[in-house]
Amino acid sequence: DAKTTQPPSMDCAEGRAANLPCNHSTISGNEYVYWYRQIHSQGPQYIIHGLKNNETNEMASLIITEDRKSSTLILPHATLRDTAVYYCIVPYNQGGKLIFGQGTELSVKP
Amino acid sequence: DTAVSQTPKYLVTQMGNDKSIKCEQNLGHDTMYWYKQDSKKFLKIMFSYNNKELIINETVPNRFSPKSPDKAHLNLHINSLELGDSAVYFCASSQDFGGRYGYTFGSGTRLTVV
Repeated sequence: DAKTTQPPSMDCAEGRAANLPCNHSTISGNEYVYWYRQIHSQGPQYIIHGLKNNETNEMASLIITEDRKSSTLILPHATLRDTAVYYCIVPYNQGGKLIFGQGTELSVKP
Repeated sequence: DTAVSQTPKYLVTQMGNDKSIKCEQNLGHDTMYWYKQDSKKFLKIMFSYNNKELIINETVPNRFSPKSPDKAHLNLHINSLELGDSAVYFCASSQDFGGRYGYTFGSGTRLTVV
């Protein structure tokens, strides 16, 4: 199973881009990378996922390196409401289980 | 609103009691899950049902029994509650088994055993 490594915490100034890194060096060729976030006291929220091409939706952009060993989630204009724990997950070979690590606690500051 | 809804949102009960948490999704998803988030904030999967069939049963005490009367509902019944059962329990659903298109989570049930 592909494991992920994320920094435990990051700060970002409001209005600036938040770039959250994730290492997944053991990822297989057919495994997707998923990002979720959990705002305090709420259920986790799906953000975006990708295989090898960069992806963008209304919430964020996902940049995956060419060798697929790492990725970066980009929140282009972070707001205070983006303060949350962000999880990078590679679930494909986990038997249908979404396994959450410790994630990155992002604090967006005024 | 299309969503995953759980009831109750808060549950305070005494040790030894039996309680149930209900979950319903109106997204038309095939698979539903129960996750537990403990005081250290780790989210761990407990159960998964696909089309009413139990697929995943992690090493959860058999005091916990999930029941899926239909594809849209997955309830969690807990017998003989213990202090260590205090946690936030999240229900989730996905379009397919494995969550290829993402999971949708409910807002959680905070269980406190006193």
